[in-house]
Amino acid sequence: DAGVIQSPRHEVTEMGQEVTLRCKPISGHNSLFWYRQTMMRGLELLIYFNNNVPIDDSGMPEDRFSAKMPNASFSTLKIQPSEPRDSAVYFCASSRGAGNSPLHFGNGTRLTVT
Amino acid sequence: GQSLEQPSEVTAVEGAIVQINCTYQTSGFYGLSWYQQHDGGAPTFLSYNALDGLEETGRFSSFLSRSDSYGYLLLQELQMKDSASYFCAVRGSSASKIIFGSGTRLSIRP
Repeated sequence: DAGVIQSPRHEVTEMGQEVTLRCKPISGHNSLFWYRQTMMRGLELLIYFNNNVPIDDSGMPEDRFSAKMPNASFSTLKIQPSEPRDSAVYFCASSRGAGNSPLHFGNGTRLTVT
Repeated sequence: GQSLEQPSEVTAVEGAIVQINCTYQTSGFYGLSWYQQHDGGAPTFLSYNALDGLEETGRFSSFLSRSDSYGYLLLQELQMKDSASYFCAVRGSSASKIIFGSGTRLSIRP
């Protein structure tokens, strides 16, 4: 059974460029979460979807960040324009429904903005 | 809002027992979870408590006291491979977001 798949694994870009991170959740999971991890701020929830609908995007830092989930098997997180302070590891996670279902994390995308 | 507190670092000796505490503040409560993350890796699920008491899974156990808004992760017979960061996470309701603590880095000495 394939886990959560994220791409790319690493992304290095220059300030001002657009960055798109991709995520394929586990089949059958209907909740999807985007987290950002840095040494200073730990694991921050950016946005989460339930049945492809954004439920809470209060963690999205600025209008430069946007996320979509056009169908149950794909989600994107876009940063436009990117800034050096966006450098972090971005994790996508999915779970089967709500309640006590555990989160299954992808391997993350390490983003470096120079 | 929701917030969680856990120690930033814990050091223990191989073969020993260690307890990692977590206190939380939430407007509602739908369970406390624990995740393990090795350096360079992704968080992986360890355990979940919705009700008071102890849940045991092999060498790892997790405890919850809802009246104290407190839980802990207990690791027994520590092995070098247990060196990792451990995160507690809380969900305020069945359909709400999951918030993570800042993590506890566990270092194990031979």
